[in-house]
Amino acid sequence: KNEVEQSPQNLTAQEGEFITINCSYSVGISALHWLQQHPGGGIVSLFMLSSGKKKHGRLIATINIQEKHSSLHITASHPRDSAVYICAVERSYQLTFGKGTKLSVIP
Amino acid sequence: DSGVTQTPKHLITATGQRVTLRCSPRSGDLSVYWYQQSLDQGLQFLIHYYNGEERAKGNILERFSAQQFPDLHSELNLSSLELGDSALYFCASSRSSGANVLTFGAGSRLTVL
Repeated sequence: KNEVEQSPQNLTAQEGEFITINCSYSVGISALHWLQQHPGGGIVSLFMLSSGKKKHGRLIATINIQEKHSSLHITASHPRDSAVYICAVERSYQLTFGKGTKLSVIP
Repeated sequence: DSGVTQTPKHLITATGQRVTLRCSPRSGDLSVYWYQQSLDQGLQFLIHYYNGEERAKGNILERFSAQQFPDLHSELNLSSLELGDSALYFCASSRSSGANVLTFGAGSRLTVL
């Protein structure tokens, strides 16, 4: 079993839909990161969480430390949100990555 | 432009050869991280340096080595290259060595023929 499990692996949504991507992990962590990777390959850090909830524009990330679970929500999705979203957990100065969720938002 | 500079962007070489990938962190960042992204393994942590010292080592092969220089730039050396080393190599930087937001470079795409 991987330390970091993401679901779903693939997600297709209509423009405007509310999207949720889930991440579960099995070890104690110091922080959890949500990353976005566009088709060109570049990686952008969206959030770093150690507790609670963070919001940036249409993106919201939550974490439940007791449940070892995090969610990334996208409100009013847009085709430009199409990308791979990657969850990563941090401990002992290193990251362990999930396999990513490929999101396609259709106009 | 993220502020993290990686060179070269693309590199094609032959098996058995040696290459050096370079990373300049964002101004003011003391930590540099190296990651490998391959189609079959996904993203994997290789190594982390903080202010010139190695802080953590992940799944880095013995054929690979890295260092961080006094000006804080870092180099990842890959030797005795194999076909399976073909991958995207990302560098990221952060202000300190703890849990920090990471800034990623654009990556270096290595193709081993």
